[in-house]
Amino acid sequence: DAKTTQPPSMDCAEGRAANLPCNHSTISGNEYVYWYRQIHSQGPQYIIHGLKNNETNEMASLIITEDRKSSTLILPHATLRDTAVYYCIVRVDHAGGNQFYFGTGTSLTVIP
Amino acid sequence: DTGVSQNPRHKITKRGQNVTFRCDPISEHNRLYWYRQTLGQGPEFLTYFQNEAQLEKSRLLSDRFSAERPKGSFSTLEIQRTEQGDSAMYLCASSINVGGTEAFFGQGTRLTVV
Repeated sequence: DAKTTQPPSMDCAEGRAANLPCNHSTISGNEYVYWYRQIHSQGPQYIIHGLKNNETNEMASLIITEDRKSSTLILPHATLRDTAVYYCIVRVDHAGGNQFYFGTGTSLTVIP
Repeated sequence: DTGVSQNPRHKITKRGQNVTFRCDPISEHNRLYWYRQTLGQGPEFLTYFQNEAQLEKSRLLSDRFSAERPKGSFSTLEIQRTEQGDSAMYLCASSINVGGTEAFFGQGTRLTVV
């Protein structure tokens, strides 16, 4: 039931900004956008999330369009350790549960 | 350690055997989730607890699977009569019971059924 669309793969040069897009055109008003990443054989790692406003933390920035139908995760200075699969998730929050539905994500490769 | 802990990290079992995995969530988190991940796919939701109550189960959770969280703290996931198709990474996550908060994942238990 993933409600997001992401490109399957992207490359980024080391030291440059990595901009990972996500479409979530059916998002509803009270649903958050979350980003996680997963390095091979490890559990998913939380990066950032937001509702309407742009957000920034020590790892990344999240830019959400005004209509909330798409967002972009920005890693400002990509390093080789940022090579991972990045998942954009719309949080389903209904009575009795609030699961995270993962899609297949974007495989980001940071190139030296 | 303040993270989500899963044990064992790896499990190899023969087809037909039963296996049980354990998840210890972050101590103040009352929500606990189980996911399964196969190679090349994103994690798939299995089930979810709020405290000791199992509030939702995915159709992926066949009758051979059972999850418990008896005291609202740690949780176990049991698979009976394992099949080769059960080979996957089983992930546990926890969060607090507030909307708009993130969940934190453990490192997973990798199950191989031979």
